[in-house]
Amino acid sequence: DIQMTQSPSSLSASVGDRVTITCRASQSIGSYLNWYQQKPGKAPKLLIYAASSLQSGVPSRFSGSGSGTDFILTVSSLQPEDFATYYCQQSYTTPRTFGQGTKLEIK
Amino acid sequence: QVQLQESGPGLVKPSETLSLICTVSNGSISSYFWSWIRQPAGKGLEWIGRIHSSGSSNNNPSLNSRLTMSVDTSKNQFSLRLSSVTAADTAVYYCARDETTWRALENWGQGTLVTVSS
Repeated sequence: DIQMTQSPSSLSASVGDRVTITCRASQSIGSYLNWYQQKPGKAPKLLIYAASSLQSGVPSRFSGSGSGTDFILTVSSLQPEDFATYYCQQSYTTPRTFGQGTKLEIK
Repeated sequence: QVQLQESGPGLVKPSETLSLICTVSNGSISSYFWSWIRQPAGKGLEWIGRIHSSGSSNNNPSLNSRLTMSVDTSKNQFSLRLSSVTAADTAVYYCARDETTWRALENWGQGTLVTVSS
């Protein structure tokens, strides 16, 4: 299985901050990397697919970059509704695997 | 926008079989892969497997021998059966649709909690 490792596991930030979350794959996955946002009690929501493509309806303050084994999710200016848990996921091969999650909390 | 809804028993006894159905509305089940994902309370996401509308499927090897998935195109539904459950199978179970090109999970059901307990 491809192992996905996110860092940090948790992050405290303030409204307006720029934050980055990193995801590393245990082998090359090309651009088959997706990012999801999950709020408590809710299903995950797709933010970014193909490493850098913004899902329809997702604010442009979210962006993704990377290819191969190293990927980054950036939120350019945090809004109150962005405090949530973020997961990366590889869709290069089965079984699909997720990172362990990054919990973004209000400072 | 396609919508997905999980349904099934919320409580299953140990050693029995967990069965869930995902009903797809506002869109056809045809020509897509449909996935199951689960999440134990307070933990991360685990991909269970996926099934195409044609019936072909991919399972997570960690569950392979216990997992059965099927699809009913006439009802716009797909289903999950997990046998010989234990407390470790207690989780919120989600169904989702795979996007066709990059295979991201683009639409999700709201999730259903299944508890394994006697």
